[in-house]
Amino acid sequence: DTGVSQNPRHKITKRGQNVTFRCDPISEHNRLYWYRQTLGQGPEFLTYFQNEAQLEKSRLLSDRFSAERPKGSFSTLEIQRTEQGDSAMYLCASSLDPGWADTQYFGPGTRLTVL
Amino acid sequence: KQEVTQIPAALSVPEGENLVLNCSFTDSAIYNLQWFRQDPGKGLTSLLLIQSSQREQTSGRLNASLDKSSGRSTLYIAASQPGDSATYLCAVRPLGGGGADGLTFGKGTHLIIQP
Repeated sequence: DTGVSQNPRHKITKRGQNVTFRCDPISEHNRLYWYRQTLGQGPEFLTYFQNEAQLEKSRLLSDRFSAERPKGSFSTLEIQRTEQGDSAMYLCASSLDPGWADTQYFGPGTRLTVL
Repeated sequence: KQEVTQIPAALSVPEGENLVLNCSFTDSAIYNLQWFRQDPGKGLTSLLLIQSSQREQTSGRLNASLDKSSGRSTLYIAASQPGDSATYLCAVRPLGGGGADGLTFGKGTHLIIQP
């Protein structure tokens, strides 16, 4: 399978715990994006990387959130001291830049439930 | 701040009908517009991408148009089938440097095709 993969697919945690999600982009894609989607809403942009450089962060990305992309390959998104409001689907996408098509390809997402 | 609105929020039609989904955006300074499909509990599948200089794109039974100056896009689905049932999301990528590349999504149109 050469698509975007995300692990785990589901995560249930207690409030106050730390969680980490992983995203493996399509192998030749140099851009990687993180989005968050709550029920009934469209995805909201969190942050993105070009290779290993984190180029943009949304205001939604509080200090409790941190993302890394070491070596410009896979990426991790960590949420510290989780809150119930963090419950959502976390989506990862990748794309190839520069590219006329510039389509973002999405993974299946990680569904986080904070109890 | 860019805002994307999709109308209708939900639509239920009999199989075989042609239908139109609407998307509007408030800031015409966009790089491209992308239509996605999302099945329940799943990630997003890219359907069509229209660059800002283009007027429309077609793929099979799908046709998407873009009128950047008026801030509107439509997704036309011909001869609808039950397998087309899903949520359809419209997203715009901003125009501009500095890495402002996160997509802004609408809330989607939830489509049900009755057999």
